[in-house]
Amino acid sequence: QKEVEQNSGPLSVPEGAIASLNCTYSDRGSQSFFWYRQYSGKSPELIMFIYSNGDKEDGRFTAQLNKASQYVSLLIRDSQPSDSATYLCAVNGANDYKLSFGAGTTVTVRA
Amino acid sequence: KAGVTQTPRYLIKTRGQQVTLSCSPISGHRSVSWYQQTPGQGLQFLFEYFSETQRNKGNFPGRFSGRQFSNSRSEMNVSTLELGDSALYLCASSSRTGVGYYEQYFGPGTRLTVT
Repeated sequence: QKEVEQNSGPLSVPEGAIASLNCTYSDRGSQSFFWYRQYSGKSPELIMFIYSNGDKEDGRFTAQLNKASQYVSLLIRDSQPSDSATYLCAVNGANDYKLSFGAGTTVTVRA
Repeated sequence: KAGVTQTPRYLIKTRGQQVTLSCSPISGHRSVSWYQQTPGQGLQFLFEYFSETQRNKGNFPGRFSGRQFSNSRSEMNVSTLELGDSALYLCASSSRTGVGYYEQYFGPGTRLTVT
């Protein structure tokens, strides 16, 4: 079982719709969870982090964490063509000085 | 505040050669991590340094090594290059010093091509 798994893509959504990205992780002791956005040919950019169960909102992005289910998600509201990118879920284990990354989900927003 | 910088940005090497990549973290960040990104394997952790000490190492052969200097700048070295080492090498820095809550910020990466 991979440490971090993301829903397979690609995900295509119309402009203005909600894009929903999911991620599960295997280390029950994981403490912190991150979403990175990576445009083609660029490096990952941190867009959200969440440490506690529940929702965290930042602009059009909402991260949701459920530690009991070992599940973290990212919602992108009012999707824009500029949101077209690969989204990477990353998890920091309980005793790690590293991030474990999922394979990424590629999102395409159709104008 | 300036971001993470990496040099060089692009590199072409021949099998059997060695290469050294450099990373300067965000000012004030003392933790530096290195990752390898390939289309097939995704983002994989190489190693992490803090105060010139390697605290964590990923599952890579001994040909991959690194070090950190007193000013937190870091270098990674790959010896005896193989074709499979062609990848984007990413450096990330963090202001965190302990386990958990480990926000990391990435540099632009070094694209290494081995021929």
